[in-house]
Amino acid sequence: NAGVTQTPKFQVLKTGQSMTLQCAQDMNHEYMSWYRQDPGMGLRLIHYSVGAGITDQGEVPNGYNVSRSTTEDFPLRLLSAAPSQTSVYFCASSYSNSLGEQYFGPGTRLTVT
Amino acid sequence: AQSVTQLGSHVSVSEGALVLLRCNYSSSVPPYLFWYVQYPNQGLQLLLKYTTGATLVKGINGFEAEFKKSETSFHLTKPSAHMSDAAEYFCAVTLSGAGSYQLTFGKGTKLSVIP
Repeated sequence: NAGVTQTPKFQVLKTGQSMTLQCAQDMNHEYMSWYRQDPGMGLRLIHYSVGAGITDQGEVPNGYNVSRSTTEDFPLRLLSAAPSQTSVYFCASSYSNSLGEQYFGPGTRLTVT
Repeated sequence: AQSVTQLGSHVSVSEGALVLLRCNYSSSVPPYLFWYVQYPNQGLQLLLKYTTGATLVKGINGFEAEFKKSETSFHLTKPSAHMSDAAEYFCAVTLSGAGSYQLTFGKGTKLSVIP
């Protein structure tokens, strides 16, 4: 199993550009989520999904869109990038009965200039 | 709503010394508690977790944590630090019951191990 994979590893965007961060998992996990990690802030939940076709907002959803058309994939879209979205983004997945134990991808480091 | 407070954003210990990383939580219902570790330039991986039962839980790499309800704490310890323990550690909480998917993380504690 590859586990949770994320692409790209690094990305630089100009303000106003859009892009999609990709996340895929091959463990047949129902639950997937996106976090952003900023220095001194820990990880904050952006969006999550409890299954294909079902998504919901987390703590910091503004400026981001998600969709979940398959169990495996959970892309995160930045509609119009802003410098405040400079961060490291992590995707995670888990079984629905995992009691909070989540598997994390390696992260995408995004810089918005 | 639940929250997590980690005391100390940076902790330094000597190799072979005791490691103690502090975590306090608040939760309106019985919590599930976790410690995750992040090595440089990597994602997070689960170190240990408490859900129900024994309040002293053991994890990987010799770490353990004790759930103390009266103190709302879940401190992480390791008797003897190793250089390979240098990493950032995150305490996290989620609520027990159906649909306990949303983890709330503390701000993290960076552990340095001095040779």
